[in-house]
Formats: sequence, structure tokens, C-alpha cells
Amino acid sequence: GQSLEQPSEVTAVEGAIVQINCTYQTSGFYGLSWYQQHDGGAPTFLSYNALDGLEETGRFSSFLSRSDSYGYLLLQELQMKDSASYFCAVRDSTDKLIFGTGTRLQVFP
Amino acid sequence: GAVVSQHPSWVICKSGTSVKIECRSLDFQATTMFWYRQFPKQSLMLMATSNEGSKATYEQGVEKDKFLINHASLTLSTLTVTSAHPEDSSFYICSAYSLGTSGRTYNEQFFGPGTRLTVL
Repeated sequence: GQSLEQPSEVTAVEGAIVQINCTYQTSGFYGLSWYQQHDGGAPTFLSYNALDGLEETGRFSSFLSRSDSYGYLLLQELQMKDSASYFCAVRDSTDKLIFGTGTRLQVFP
Repeated sequence: GAVVSQHPSWVICKSGTSVKIECRSLDFQATTMFWYRQFPKQSLMLMATSNEGSKATYEQGVEKDKFLINHASLTLSTLTVTSAHPEDSSFYICSAYSLGTSGRTYNEQFFGPGTRLTVL
């Protein structure tokens, strides 16, 4: 089967740094994406890693280790508006996205 | 970025009726679109891959006769929930990749705003 595991919930205060981990076990792998979803809204793209290493986009960074089937999303300088659910997703060779279990991030003042 | 729209944004229907949801790529052509279902506080579950001009590919466990998908053009895919029942109440989301000038898809999958279906 295919599975992508994430912590169910993470809490932090404004200005802090949080890391959301994702471990995956899939039949195919073409890249790891991260999406943010606010309650009632659509997922929005944050980052994509096809190769090992760190990708940085503003306050958000994403890391991938294909040998460990592991990745993480790093959020820096947290803001209240970052409170949302975050999903990792594996893109397979047919371009399908298989989503992780999701992590609910709550940022407190 | 590319824009994907869905219509309606929400719908309430009686048990036994059919509901059609439209997904459009507004500023790009999409040969492939994807349909997801999301229950409250859960992840997105891929239901099917919609291919323009051919039959949709359904994920294991998704009833193709209940969830009819038609990808009639490069900018429109429709999902029809037939004989809807309360257990079909969910958030339905479509998505698509846009193609770059080289013909390859970008890494970002663009999602529609979703359709909330409530079956009474």
C-alpha cells in the first residue's frame, strides 16, 4: 500500500520556527510537494522537491531525503496567518498526487 | 499562477438525486484533471484522473458508476454524483497541472476552490 505519515498537530507561538515531518512509502516517486490549506479553502502549493536537499522559498523551506523516504517543511518567523493544515504529497510517474495525513498547525500570539 | 474554478461552490440536495460539479481551467488547457474528496478534518483522497477525450481512471474503491466523470474539452471536466446519499456529503475538489511552453507540466498542481455537497 501507499502511505504518507505526518504528525497530526503542531502548536507554536508567533515568531517561532516549526518543522513538519513527512515519511512516505509509495509504489512510485517523482517528487514531494507541500500544500497549505486553510479551513474551508482549497490547497495552495508551497514547495516541491524532486532531488535530495533543501529548497528555500521565503519563510518556508522544504527538505527531501529520498534514501530515507523522508521530507520536512520548515516554517520560520511564524505568523498567525500560518495557522492552517499542511499536507505533504508524493507525485508519482503518472502525475497523480498522493496526500499525507495532514498536520494542523496552530500559531498562538 | 493558473486558475481553476469550480461550480457550484456549495450544493444541498435530497437523497436520491444527482448532482453535477463543473471544474474549469480558466487560463490554461488541461489534458488531465484530478478529482479529490475530503471529509472534515481529513486528508484529500484522490478519486479519479480525468483525461480529455477518454475515459477517466478511477482509484481503487471508487465506484465509477456512481461518480461519473466527463472531460469534454481541454478546459472542462465534470463530476456527477448519481443517486446521492448522505454518506456522499463531502468537499469535492478538482485540480490540474498547467503545461509550460516546453510541453512539460509545471511542478505545481492548481486546485479549484472546492464544492461542498450536503445530501439530506
